[in-house]
Amino acid sequence: RKEVEQDPGPFNVPEGATVAFNCTYSNSASQSFFWYRQDCRKEPKLLMSVYSSGNEDGRFTAQLNRASQYISLLIRDSKLSDSATYLCVVGQYSSASKIIFGSGTRLSIRP
Amino acid sequence: GAVVSQHPSWVICKSGTSVKIECRSLDFQATTMFWYRQFPKQSLMLMATSNEGSKATYEQGVEKDKFLINHASLTLSTLTVTSAHPEDSSFYICSAASEEETQYFGPGTRLLVL
Repeated sequence: RKEVEQDPGPFNVPEGATVAFNCTYSNSASQSFFWYRQDCRKEPKLLMSVYSSGNEDGRFTAQLNRASQYISLLIRDSKLSDSATYLCVVGQYSSASKIIFGSGTRLSIRP
Repeated sequence: GAVVSQHPSWVICKSGTSVKIECRSLDFQATTMFWYRQFPKQSLMLMATSNEGSKATYEQGVEKDKFLINHASLTLSTLTVTSAHPEDSSFYICSAASEEETQYFGPGTRLLVL
C-alpha cells in the first residue's frame, strides 16, 4: 500500500464549479500535511498547509481527519488557471524532515 | 516566498558522462536540502536528504555512489549523476527547508541521456 494515495483523475469540470479532492495516508504518526500544486513541467509550489482545525485561503479549503487518516482540498468557483496537478504531501515530523508526495490529482477546468 | 535556484535547467548528455546539478537557496540559509526525481506522469520521489557539513541520507534503492551529493554550504547543494545512462533521464528537483521549516522547491533540471 502506498504511503500517500490520491485519485489520479483527471477531473474535468466547468469553470465556476466546485471540486473536491481526497487523499489518504497510511502512517498514523504523520504530523504535517500540505497541498502542493504542480503545473505541467514545472516544480511543485506550496498551495497551503493543512491543520487539524481545517483552514481556508480564499477559494481553497483544506481539511484534515486524523481519525480516518485523510486530507481533503475543496476548490470553489474554479477558474481556468486552477488547471494543474494537485499533490497531497505528508510529513512524519516537521516539514524540514522527509515528506512523502502522493501521485497527484490532475484537474482540468474547461470554459 | 523564498527563492531556490537550480542550474542547469536542462541538460542533454551522452551515456557514460557525469552531470552535476546545483541547487542554491538565494535568500535564506538552508541546513537541509532534499533531492527528488520525477519520471513522466509520476509523483516526486525523494532520492536523498542533504545536510550541510555531513553525509547525505539516501532513500532505499538510490545508489549513493551513482548519485553523489555534496552540501558544502548553507546555500548550496550539488547532485552529480555519475556515468549517466538513458534510464537516468528524468526531472530532478531540489528543495530547501527554511527556518520556518517550509520546503521551497527549485525549478527543476531536465536531464536527457542519449
